[in-house]
Amino acid sequence: SQQGEEDPQALSIQEGENATMNCSYKTSINNLQWYRQNSGRGLVHLILIRSNEREKHSGRLRVTLDTSKKSSSLLITASRAADTASYFCATVNPSGSRLTFGEGTQLTVNP
Amino acid sequence: GAVVSQHPSRVICKSGTSVKIECRSLDFQATTMFWYRQFPKKSLMLMATSNEGSKATYEQGVEKDKFLINHASLTLSTLTVTSAHPEDSSFYICSAGNQGANYGYTFGSGTRLTVV
Repeated sequence: SQQGEEDPQALSIQEGENATMNCSYKTSINNLQWYRQNSGRGLVHLILIRSNEREKHSGRLRVTLDTSKKSSSLLITASRAADTASYFCATVNPSGSRLTFGEGTQLTVNP
Repeated sequence: GAVVSQHPSRVICKSGTSVKIECRSLDFQATTMFWYRQFPKKSLMLMATSNEGSKATYEQGVEKDKFLINHASLTLSTLTVTSAHPEDSSFYICSAGNQGANYGYTFGSGTRLTVV
C-alpha cells in the first residue's frame, strides 16, 4: 500500500510563481525524499531530508519536514516551464530497507 | 554520478510470452535493487526488493511466479514477466542505491510493456 498522500494532485501555475506541494505519511521514517518524473520517464532524485532535520534547501528547492504531523512540503521558487513534471515524495522506513512513494503531484508551469 | 541503465525502454509482446527487463548499475555496485510498477498517472508501487545472491522479497499481492526476479551480480538485476497478459501492461522501473537508504536512490529510465 502507498505510504503517503500528496496534495494537490495537480497544480497549474505561471512561470515565475512559486509552487508548493505537500506530502503526508503514516508511519515512522528514516528520511523523506522528493523525486521528479517527466512523463514516461524514470525518476530523478531531488532532495533528501532526514527525520531529525526540519528544513533543507537546494537551489530553488526548499523542503520542510514536520515529523509530529508526519508531513513534508516541497517549495519550488521562481518556477520555470521546464519544471513541468510529476513530483513524488518517498519515505524510507527506519531500517532503511524500503522506499515507498506518495501519490504524486502533477505540476504544470505555463510560460 | 551514479547511473542505472534499464533495458529495453519499450517492448510489445504477445499474450502468453515472457519478457525480460534488465537493470544495470553502471558505475557502482548495488547490493539491493528495487522493482516498481507504475500505472498511467499513478504513483509507483513497490513490487519487490532484489538482493544480490539471494531470493527477492516480494510485496503482498505480487505473484512471485509471474514476476521472476534475479539478482545474480552486484550490477545486474532482471525482472521477467512470465506468460504475460494484457493486464500486465504497465511501466516498470528499477532503482538502486549505492550508499544505502541514507542517500537518494538512482532510477532506471523505465520500461513500457505493452501486451497485445
